[in-house]
Amino acid sequence: DVKVTQSSRYLVKRTGEKVFLECVQDMDHENMFWYRQDPGLGLRLIYFSYDVKMKEKGDIPEGYSVSREKKERFSLILESASTNQTSMYLCASSSRGAGLTDTQYFGPGTRLTVL
Amino acid sequence: QQQVKQSPQSLIVQKGGISIINCAYENTAFDYFPWYQQFPGKGPALLIAIRPDVSEKKEGRFTISFNKSAKQFSLHIMDSQPGDSATYFCAASLRAQKLVFGQGTRLTINP
Repeated sequence: DVKVTQSSRYLVKRTGEKVFLECVQDMDHENMFWYRQDPGLGLRLIYFSYDVKMKEKGDIPEGYSVSREKKERFSLILESASTNQTSMYLCASSSRGAGLTDTQYFGPGTRLTVL
Repeated sequence: QQQVKQSPQSLIVQKGGISIINCAYENTAFDYFPWYQQFPGKGPALLIAIRPDVSEKKEGRFTISFNKSAKQFSLHIMDSQPGDSATYFCAASLRAQKLVFGQGTRLTINP
């Protein structure tokens, strides 16, 4: 059974803190994605990676960075958390089979609150 | 041009009824249109997908209708059940590039 796990389900941080969100997939997928989900805005792509050490900006990369040192792990970093980054963060992975549109498998999400 | 507009934002349907969620897009070059289903506390999961060379795709009680000329596609859930209560997202992509998601529809099926 395919599995994408995220390090925390709930996280509370203070403004200005550095925040790390971790995602691990066990499907040997090449592609990994970070989205944020906000009511009324749907899923918006922050960053994605199609290979180890490769990364591409999504639609809303400002205030975020990512790291992919191993194929199975993709980290999202908030260098200095701000209140407008309070959101649900979803990680996903997919195989390279049909480009970036192959079925994406999502983790359960991390609900981040920045105070 | 890259947006996908989804409506309604929320929908309440009686058990056994038909649920219909609509999406519209601007970019006529989009060539892949999936629908994802998300239950509370879970990540979205692919439900059904269509490519623009067909006008309809059916999988069980779920059907995608695609209208290329109107640049619209919709999800129909026949005989809606309480277990279908979830948030649904449409999406679109171009030439196997990243997905663009709609705003989401929270569907509630009343027993």
